[in-house]
Amino acid sequence: AQSVTQLGSHVSVSEGALVLLRCNYSSSVPPYLFWYVQYPNQGLQLLLKYTTGATLVKGINGFEAEFKKSETSFHLTKPSAHMSDAAEYFCAVSGLQGAQKLVFGQGTRLTINP
Amino acid sequence: EAGVAQSPRYKIIEKRQSVAFWCNPISGHATLYWYQQILGQGPKLLIQFQNNGVVDDSQLPKDRFSAERLKGVDSTLKIQPAKLEDSAVYLCASSLGSGGVNQPQHFGDGTRLSIL
Repeated sequence: AQSVTQLGSHVSVSEGALVLLRCNYSSSVPPYLFWYVQYPNQGLQLLLKYTTGATLVKGINGFEAEFKKSETSFHLTKPSAHMSDAAEYFCAVSGLQGAQKLVFGQGTRLTINP
Repeated sequence: EAGVAQSPRYKIIEKRQSVAFWCNPISGHATLYWYQQILGQGPKLLIQFQNNGVVDDSQLPKDRFSAERLKGVDSTLKIQPAKLEDSAVYLCASSLGSGGVNQPQHFGDGTRLSIL
């Protein structure tokens, strides 16, 4: 079984500051990990994913995440926050390559202060 | 490319009434998913179809929820009778093929259901 814990339901940073959103997972099989973003009244959009290979994954809008097996973590970062980054972010795990059953964390709401 | 279409966007009903949601996936996408997203939580998979067959419905409350995808294209999710705890956003997603990790899910904007 898989599960995801996102530390901090709400993160607030200043424009131009580093964004760090934390995600820890639990999986009985090698995990596939994802970050999604959700803007108000919209569906989810895939930011990036880790399947195999390089542990540092780059995504859209300047975001990246690093898979650390020893820490069972997949934290999302962006060097410089922009006002347009304000949204809800979800970390998700899937343990089956052939059937992408996603288990989501509870989400982190990112607020950007001018 | 047109995205995943869902309707209605908003629905308000009283408890014990019935309600239905409609989803039209991206053209050519064989796999279709329905998720329930309760306020303050991440989406939870209710049911997954591949073409017109059910792949996973283990978290679908079958005493009140039903879903179909008769022709392997669009899909309908129904709740009958609705309970207060069914208040949520219902998201539909679709993906190519069997929906493996290299075939990302594309989400619609959802239907927000409020139960009075």
